[in-house]
Amino acid sequence: DIQMTQSPSSLSASVGDRVTITCRASQSIRTYLNWYQQKPGKAPKLLIYAASSLQGGVPSRFSGSGSGTDFTLTINSLQPEDFATYYCQQSYTTPPYTFGQGTKLEIK
Amino acid sequence: EVQLVESGGGLDQPGGSLRLSCAASGFTFSNSWMHWVRQGPGKGLIWVSRINSDGGITNYADSVKGRFTISRDNAENTLYLQMNSLRAEDTGVYYCVRVNAADAFDFWGQGTMVTVSS
Repeated sequence: DIQMTQSPSSLSASVGDRVTITCRASQSIRTYLNWYQQKPGKAPKLLIYAASSLQGGVPSRFSGSGSGTDFTLTINSLQPEDFATYYCQQSYTTPPYTFGQGTKLEIK
Repeated sequence: EVQLVESGGGLDQPGGSLRLSCAASGFTFSNSWMHWVRQGPGKGLIWVSRINSDGGITNYADSVKGRFTISRDNAENTLYLQMNSLRAEDTGVYYCVRVNAADAFDFWGQGTMVTVSS
């Protein structure tokens, strides 16, 4: 199975900051990489699919990049509603679909 | 508006059985692959199972293979997960999920909680 590793596991930032979360796959997954946001008590929400495509309705301050084994999620100008946990997930070799362990973004 | 509404969760003992349901609306259910994803208490996301649009193809995580069965009723726009021989590690919130053309999980239900404990 393909292993997905996110870094950091947690991150503190302030409103207005730019933050980057990294996801690494244990083997090449081309651009079959998706990013989700999850707030406490809520279901995950798709932000980015195919490494860099923005899901409809998601603010343009979110962006994704990368291919092969290394990927990044960037949030420009953090807003209060962006503090949440973020997960990456590969959909290249399936099943199984595998997720990263999550990155918790907290307010500094 | 796409809606996925899960039901059927609850408390059961190890070795017991539960059947989860997911009522879908707002899209053409019979055209969509569907999945179940679990999240243990305070933990990350674990893919559990998937089924193709007509129910002819099913896949499972190794941890549930032989114990869980995914199925669907396209006439009723409903997805199911039959969970047998339950174990403590099956505990968590179970989400019903639709995938888009890029195989990303684009719509999630609100989840239903399953607790396996004696």
